[in-house]
Amino acid sequence: SQKIEQNSEALNIQEGKTATLTCNYTNYSPAYLQWYRQDPGRGPVFLLLIRENEKEKRKERLKVTFDTTLKQSLFHITASQPADSATYLCALGSGAGSYQLTFGKGTKLSVIP
Amino acid sequence: SAVISQKPSRDICQRGTSLTIQCQVDSQVTMMFWYRQQPGQSLTLIATANQGSEATYESGFVIDKFPISRPNLTFSTLTVSNMSPEDSSIYLCSVSSPGTGVAGANVLTFGAGSRLTVL
Repeated sequence: SQKIEQNSEALNIQEGKTATLTCNYTNYSPAYLQWYRQDPGRGPVFLLLIRENEKEKRKERLKVTFDTTLKQSLFHITASQPADSATYLCALGSGAGSYQLTFGKGTKLSVIP
Repeated sequence: SAVISQKPSRDICQRGTSLTIQCQVDSQVTMMFWYRQQPGQSLTLIATANQGSEATYESGFVIDKFPISRPNLTFSTLTVSNMSPEDSSIYLCSVSSPGTGVAGANVLTFGAGSRLTVL
């Protein structure tokens, strides 16, 4: 069955450093991969999408890579700030007209001042 | 992107009762999705609600337990029936986000969620 693993449940990092979150998957050939941010008491908010034929995507301080050979995506936040503290979810989509998204459990990032 | 209002935001319920969650969107949408987020677990799709037709349920979810209404293009309800403590969870309404510039991909906008605790 399809399985998505996000590297750890929690990640603590010092302010100013680069946070790197990992999303690994098995038994899946996604057409695209998405990253969402979720704050306590809120629904997830879409951040970035990367397609299977793209290696890297950037948006401001965020960078996502996608390696379909390793079946892995890395999500980087450079110059991290305490305001970046949240839970980050990866989600895989199969495309081809399907609306199905499969989510990982998320990684809770804490940026320490 | 769409703005979604969900209510209640939280509730404490007694075993055996039912609760209806409402989801209002500020624009007309074709498909609305209901997700469950149990503690420590990933978001799981319960069903997809299209206006004018019965909801489509995912494996492991049935209409008798989670009846859904979709009376128009801006509103939907999810009922959690005959609740047990195992139904304690956050329930989220979502819609596809048009205008994200991502053709062929389903990018979602979520409501804030409804946190249910069943005693």
